[in-house]
Amino acid sequence: GDSVTQMEGPVTLSEEAFLTINCTYTATGYPSLFWYVQYPGEGLQLLLKATKADDKGSNKGFEATYRKETTSFHLEKGSVQVSDSAVYFCALSDPNAGNNRKLIWGLGTSLAVNP
Amino acid sequence: GAGVSQTPSNKVTEKGKYVELRCDPISGHTALYWYRQSLGQGLEFLIYFQGNSAPDKSGLPSDRFSAERTGGSVSTLTIQRTEQRDSAMYRCASSLNGGNQRQETQYFGPGTRLLVL
Repeated sequence: GDSVTQMEGPVTLSEEAFLTINCTYTATGYPSLFWYVQYPGEGLQLLLKATKADDKGSNKGFEATYRKETTSFHLEKGSVQVSDSAVYFCALSDPNAGNNRKLIWGLGTSLAVNP
Repeated sequence: GAGVSQTPSNKVTEKGKYVELRCDPISGHTALYWYRQSLGQGLEFLIYFQGNSAPDKSGLPSDRFSAERTGGSVSTLTIQRTEQRDSAMYRCASSLNGGNQRQETQYFGPGTRLLVL
């Protein structure tokens, strides 16, 4: 079945460092891909998404490109801030699964940014 | 507007007891999902409601778990005869309309942390 694999954390960076969190997926069709973020003490919120190959999702300085050839959706940010400290989740949904658009999730990657 | 809310935020119970978790979706959202996140695990799908259609219960781990959605709005997830392995964060999400819209986004509540002693 469909699955998502993302790099294990925790990831610790200094402020203004470059961030990459790897995410690869396995799916039979053409899934939609998502990055969700959970800030301390808060619920999950959508960070960005992409719905077809070569699409780039972006938000708050974060970017991820849907790469079908490598089945990847790596999250990047050029210069992280302390406020980016959170847990990041990669997820997919299968548009061919009928009306149930349940999300298949990676395990999450914890990011800590030090000043 | 108001987001997805879940109550209680935390629940501690003893093995064998019954628990009920509540989710209030965003007003007007017809699709509602329950997920579970156990310690060190990713989120796993439990159940999906769409309007008045029969729910997709394919993710429920055992017959001790059930859920309902009254009036197409509030949903309750119930666990009977709780076991320690049921301890997890239970997350609810709603979306405007489940289905084949690629732009669909799920909005999550803050979750209910369940601890079974």
